[in-house]
Amino acid sequence: EAGVAQSPRYKIIEKRQSVAFWCNPISGHATLYWYQQILGQGPKLLIQFQNNGVVDDSQLPKDRFSAERLKGVDSTLKIQPAKLEDSAVYLCASSPGGASGGAAETQYFGPGTRLLVL
Amino acid sequence: SQKIEQNSEALNIQEGKTATLTCNYTNYSPAYLQWYRQDPGRGPVFLLLIRENEKEKRKERLKVTFDTTLKQSLFHITASQPADSATYLCALGTGGFKTIFGAGTRLFVKA
Repeated sequence: EAGVAQSPRYKIIEKRQSVAFWCNPISGHATLYWYQQILGQGPKLLIQFQNNGVVDDSQLPKDRFSAERLKGVDSTLKIQPAKLEDSAVYLCASSPGGASGGAAETQYFGPGTRLLVL
Repeated sequence: SQKIEQNSEALNIQEGKTATLTCNYTNYSPAYLQWYRQDPGRGPVFLLLIRENEKEKRKERLKVTFDTTLKQSLFHITASQPADSATYLCALGTGGFKTIFGAGTRLFVKA
């Protein structure tokens, strides 16, 4: 089966510009995650969707970041305006989802988008 | 405060030896714990999952232990190979499928 697709792979912008990332999850996966990974750190969850509804966006800087998942499939993450500290790798992951009560979820990650803000 | 700790220093071992990586956590009650492998420039890849009521899980040369009293998981790679060199991430699964990742430990296996 095809894996999680992300684009672009690399992006260089200047601060205060806007940028958008796209993610296509594995077909049939209900749950979609966006993570921010700063060099030397583990992935930090920005937002989690279950189908096209938001489950958790508690760590999403909502004054500048936004995300949507149309029709419960593809998703876009936008930053507007970007700051220097937004330089990181943005990872998208998906998992089958649909269970409840703390059931385990294996996440399948895309290759990430490496963002550099100058 | 909630914290996940993995060895920040890289682990260097000789080919054929067993690598042991540690994941400690505080102020979490995870339903499960996962280990992922991440190579440079790539996304993490799932390796193993162990639930709170399990003590040990094995998969080929990999073994994971989970001690909820000590709040610790150990990840072992036996008969290590240079191809095992990567960063290994510990991830705690909390309610609602939310996963909290540690910072990872870099492993170097020397031929």
